[in-house]
Amino acid sequence: GAGVSQSPSNKVTEKGKDVELRCDPISGHTALYWYRQSLGQGLEFLIYFQGNSAPDKSGLPSDRFSAERTGGSVSTLTIQRTQQEDSAVYLCASSAFRGGLFFGEGSRLTVL
Amino acid sequence: GENVEQHPSTLSVQEGDSAVIKCTYSDSASNYFPWYKQELGKRPQLIIDIRSNVGEKKDQRIAVTLNKTAKHFSLHITETQPEDSAVYFCAARGYSTLTFGKGTMLLVSP
Repeated sequence: GAGVSQSPSNKVTEKGKDVELRCDPISGHTALYWYRQSLGQGLEFLIYFQGNSAPDKSGLPSDRFSAERTGGSVSTLTIQRTQQEDSAVYLCASSAFRGGLFFGEGSRLTVL
Repeated sequence: GENVEQHPSTLSVQEGDSAVIKCTYSDSASNYFPWYKQELGKRPQLIIDIRSNVGEKKDQRIAVTLNKTAKHFSLHITETQPEDSAVYFCAARGYSTLTFGKGTMLLVSP
């Protein structure tokens, strides 16, 4: 596609529910990143994929967070048993090998 | 892992003045240093980047300098305009992960 596409753009859920966030990277980009941004804060690294493998998942906050990437393309970030502190904008970015990152518009998650 | 420090956290300038934002990094293996601009409610957008084999790079009113020995790099914006107002993030990457600084909020007053 023309850019990185994320869905949903907005998600409101109740505490304890599971959520899935989807990222469709730029076609041909082998690297895919997930970041989290709380209101007025910086970019918190979550996980990095190169192809379908995740050589760096050191930023995942807890075992409630998981991510996968299939076919070297679409990635899904799953948050189980959501907590209020999970509320944030989840940003996906993709890049060509060792190139600059291009971000999606983000998925805004609100946990009530 | 990599650690990126960014200063200042906020910067207020008058239109037409220059603005400088500075970053330091810890991992000497880092070799790619991009800068991102994030307007309120928008996604971060890449505005300029530099690789470790280059000391300076310019693009119109924006320039980035890199000092590998001292492990610091800077963003320079000349002739600032109100539309330059945004949060700017520096970042550094070695072998995989791109690590971001905490951001600088730049306010350009008319």
